[in-house]
Amino acid sequence: KAGVTQTPRYLIKTRGQQVTLSCSPISGHRSVSWYQQTPGQGLQFLFEYFSETQRNKGNFPGRFSGRQFSNSRSEMNVSTLELGDSALYLCASSLGASGDWETQYFGPGTRLLVL
Amino acid sequence: KNEVEQSPQNLTAQEGEFITINCSYSVGISALHWLQQHPGGGIVSLFMLSSGKKKHGRLIATINIQEKHSSLHITASHPRDSAVYICAVYGGATNKLIFGTGTLLAVQP
Repeated sequence: KAGVTQTPRYLIKTRGQQVTLSCSPISGHRSVSWYQQTPGQGLQFLFEYFSETQRNKGNFPGRFSGRQFSNSRSEMNVSTLELGDSALYLCASSLGASGDWETQYFGPGTRLLVL
Repeated sequence: KNEVEQSPQNLTAQEGEFITINCSYSVGISALHWLQQHPGGGIVSLFMLSSGKKKHGRLIATINIQEKHSSLHITASHPRDSAVYICAVYGGATNKLIFGTGTLLAVQP
């Protein structure tokens, strides 16, 4: 089975712009979670989608949003970018049926730099 | 005080040594995960634990729910084990997911 893929892998944006990141889960996985990783804050949970619905959410402002499509592919969007949004954004997929945080299969990440 | 604490933050070992990384948490959990992150960012999920002990190859993970503590052991360490090891806890009913700050392990040949 193909692994989790994320596009793009690298991105440079300027403050005030918006960005959309894409994640394709492992075939058969219905849950997709998004994470932000920065040197200062480490790994932080953004949100989880299951069957096109947001099931869990971390403590991030409303500028961070996401969605999931019927084929389980997911996108996350960050509007009005700030310098502090520079980070590695990781998505992970899992089967998702239990509702708990199951074993996650991570993608390679998208490295976002905001100038 | 962080809800998930890992120790040590940095660890250097010689090839072949037995390594222990610790994770303590202060919240109620339904599961604890150990993750491995290699340079370049890729993360691999190593273990998911809710009780007892699990073993996979040279890696062993244990959890003591009463003491709110978990350990990750690496036997016969190898330079390819060099990575950041991250402990993460899932709060179950609270749906809260909290990550530790990670332990940077360097295994020298």
